[in-house]
Amino acid sequence: GQQVMQIPQYQHVQEGEDFTTYCNSSTTLSNIQWYKQRPGGHPVFLIQLVKSGEVKKQKRLTFQFGEAKKNSSLHITATQTTDVGTYFCAGLETSYDKVIFGPGTSLSVIP
Amino acid sequence: NAGVTQTPKFRILKIGQSMTLQCTQDMNHNYMYWYRQDPGMGLKLIYYSVGAGITDKGEVPNGYNVSRSTTEDFPLRLELAAPSQTSVYFCASSYSKGRDTQYFGPGTRLTVL
Repeated sequence: GQQVMQIPQYQHVQEGEDFTTYCNSSTTLSNIQWYKQRPGGHPVFLIQLVKSGEVKKQKRLTFQFGEAKKNSSLHITATQTTDVGTYFCAGLETSYDKVIFGPGTSLSVIP
Repeated sequence: NAGVTQTPKFRILKIGQSMTLQCTQDMNHNYMYWYRQDPGMGLKLIYYSVGAGITDKGEVPNGYNVSRSTTEDFPLRLELAAPSQTSVYFCASSYSKGRDTQYFGPGTRLTVL
């Protein structure tokens, strides 16, 4: 079946270090969305990427959509304690017109 | 705008009991979703609706039922609760399917003992 995977599952970083999470789909995606869930909270939308090779930035966060529209990445520069949480990607699969959430990457930031 | 609201926030059920999780959105969204999130895991889609009167199964529908009589409300019914249904349940809504932001409610934490 269709799958969206994320690596790593967990990441512990020292405050100020960079962080990257990768999202990979077994099928082509029409778009990809990224969500952040703080501990004990609910997922909150961060961004949507639609075009092949698209790169978007939000302050210290950089989002990329792969050329083949099967993978994406989220990079955080100089992490802060406010970045703690789980980051989910969600892809709209072209063939099946379904939204599939990845399992998430949990980020811990050590002050 | 309140966005997406869910009640109750917490609930403990005994095995075999039934309950309804309420979800309401005030954004006039056509699409509404129910997800469950087990501890340390991702989101699994239970049911979704594309508009009043139209619902469809997601990835894990067994043990649940839904209805959508109005645009605003999308209740989730648990019949004969089982320990495997212990989870956090999130309701979400969006203007379109997969091409717009999904707005999530605060969640209902359910424990079945």
